[in-house]
Amino acid sequence: GDSVTQMEGPVTLSEEAFLTINCTYTATGYPSLFWYVQYPGEGLQLLLKATKADDKGSNKGFEATYRKETTSFHLEKGSVQVSDSAVYFCALNRGFGNEKLTFGTGTRLTIIP
Amino acid sequence: EPEVTQTPSHQVTQMGQEVILRCVPISNHLYFYWYRQILGQKVEFLVSFYNNEISEKSEIFDDQFSVERPDGSNFTLKIRSTKLEDSAMYFCATSLGVTTYEQYFGPGTRLTVT
Repeated sequence: GDSVTQMEGPVTLSEEAFLTINCTYTATGYPSLFWYVQYPGEGLQLLLKATKADDKGSNKGFEATYRKETTSFHLEKGSVQVSDSAVYFCALNRGFGNEKLTFGTGTRLTIIP
Repeated sequence: EPEVTQTPSHQVTQMGQEVILRCVPISNHLYFYWYRQILGQKVEFLVSFYNNEISEKSEIFDDQFSVERPDGSNFTLKIRSTKLEDSAMYFCATSLGVTTYEQYFGPGTRLTVT
């Protein structure tokens, strides 16, 4: 079945550091890929998405590129802020809006001033 | 901005009791989902619901679980006889339809079974 493998956490960085959180996936066909973020005490919010190969999703300074050849969707940000501290989840679905999401285990990110 | 709401935010119940978790979807959304997250673990799909019937369910969603839209607005998850291992955060999510990919999540209900 479909699966998502995420970089193990937790990750601790200093403010303004460069962030990469790795995500690889296994799925048949042409899945859509997502990054969700969960701030402390809150639900999941969609951070960015990509629906086909070579698409780049971006939002709030975060970016991720859908790489079909490496089955990856790594999350990057050039300069992190304390407010980026959260848990980040990589997810996929089978490419239609009504399909269930399959999540990775989540990566807890802490940014220190 | 429209949002998905869930009640209660926290529910404590004794093993064997029935619980009903409630969700109010975004008003024009057509697809509804329940997910759960056991503390420290990944978010897991439970069930999807469309046009008043279950579209897909996971192996977690056994006969102890049921979903319905009793009044056309609320979307509920019922657990008939709770077990200790049902303790988790339960998230409701909704989606507009096939042409949009975003599922909007509610803030979750933390269920504690004692």
